[in-house]
Amino acid sequence: KAGVTQTPRYLIKTRGQQVTLSCSPISGHRSVSWYQQTPGQGLQFLFEYFSETQRNKGNFPGRFSGRQFSNSRSEMNVSTLELGDSALYLCATQFGQGDNSPLHFGNGTRLTVT
Amino acid sequence: GNSVTQMEGPVTLSEEAFLTINCTYTATGYPSLFWYVQYPGEGLQLLLKATKADDKGSNKGFEATYRKETTSFHLEKGSVQVSDSAVYFCALKHGTYKYIFGTGTRLKVLA
Repeated sequence: KAGVTQTPRYLIKTRGQQVTLSCSPISGHRSVSWYQQTPGQGLQFLFEYFSETQRNKGNFPGRFSGRQFSNSRSEMNVSTLELGDSALYLCATQFGQGDNSPLHFGNGTRLTVT
Repeated sequence: GNSVTQMEGPVTLSEEAFLTINCTYTATGYPSLFWYVQYPGEGLQLLLKATKADDKGSNKGFEATYRKETTSFHLEKGSVQVSDSAVYFCALKHGTYKYIFGTGTRLKVLA
């Protein structure tokens, strides 16, 4: 069974630009969550989608947004990039929503903002 | 609200040493508890889990016991290897609420 796939693996962008990251979940997984990982802040929750609806949201500004498609694939978008947005962005999927099944993570997209 | 606190790193050990990484939690009711591991250049992967009090999760020589009375879920391994060098995250999940992760503990094992 294929794992969680995140594309691209690496991105370099300039301040003020916008970026879109993609996540393809494991087949059958309907819940997709996004996390930002930085050395100083650890793992910060961005949002969770289930059946194309946002179910949970973290404390990030409105520049961070996401969506989920009918095939459960998800994208997150960051507009007006700032230097502080440089981080590893991780996508995690699970079968259900509201259950305690483990998260399955992708290898992440490393975003560098210059 | 729910929270997870784990010991600061980095932890540096010699090969075959005993490992303990402390994790305590705050939550109402009975959350499920997890340890995830992140190897360099990769995402997190589940190491072990426990879903109720006194459960012991185990995998790859690692163990952790769900202690309700001390609200703890400490990770242990009797003899670490160089290949265990990674970042370890304690986490909890309760009902429909999102996963809560600790800040991560970096482990470095020296040959």
